[in-house]
Amino acid sequence: EAGVAQSPRYKIIEKRQSVAFWCNPISGHATLYWYQQILGQGPKLLIQFQNNGVVDDSQLPKDRFSAERLKGVDSTLKIQPAKLEDSAVYLCASSLGGPGQIPYGYTFGSGTRLTVV
Amino acid sequence: AQSVTQLDSHVSVSEGTPVLLRCNYSSSYSPSLFWYVQHPNKGLQLLLKYTSAATLVKGINGFEAEFKKSETSFHLTKPSAHMSDAAEYFCVVSEKRSGNTPLVFGKGTRLSVIA
Repeated sequence: EAGVAQSPRYKIIEKRQSVAFWCNPISGHATLYWYQQILGQGPKLLIQFQNNGVVDDSQLPKDRFSAERLKGVDSTLKIQPAKLEDSAVYLCASSLGGPGQIPYGYTFGSGTRLTVV
Repeated sequence: AQSVTQLDSHVSVSEGTPVLLRCNYSSSYSPSLFWYVQHPNKGLQLLLKYTSAATLVKGINGFEAEFKKSETSFHLTKPSAHMSDAAEYFCVVSEKRSGNTPLVFGKGTRLSVIA
């Protein structure tokens, strides 16, 4: 079974530039998550999609971060403009089940490591 | 709100000795609990999970954890550490309730194994 695919693996940008990350979840997984993992910390949820609808984006800094999941499959996460504190690994995960259900088949991608200089 | 507290940021053990990584959780609902491992520059890998079945959960690579509701704990153990166990370990909680069911991660415990 193919895993959760993310690209790029690494990205270095200057502050105030924009950047986009891409995620392709496991086929058939209705729920998709974006997490931010700052060095030395556990991953923190940014946004959760159920199919192509947003379930939870309460921790997404909406003044600079945006995400979409067109057609309920692939997803992109964008940062514009980037700040130094956005340096982190951005993890995508997908799972079966949805709101009100314990997520199962929860699988993480390898992540995109962003460095803002 | 749900949360987990990993009581040690760093644990160091000698190869062949037991491993204990401690985790306490807080949840308003019946929680599901997980342990994930992250090796350097690698993705997150599920070690084991508790979802209201047996309280003693066995995972991969000889790890196990026991859910203790009275102590709100879910400590991870292994009888004998191996060099390849050196990694970052995350205790994670998820609640079954209406609305979203994300995974909430602890801050992690770095396990070092000394030869």
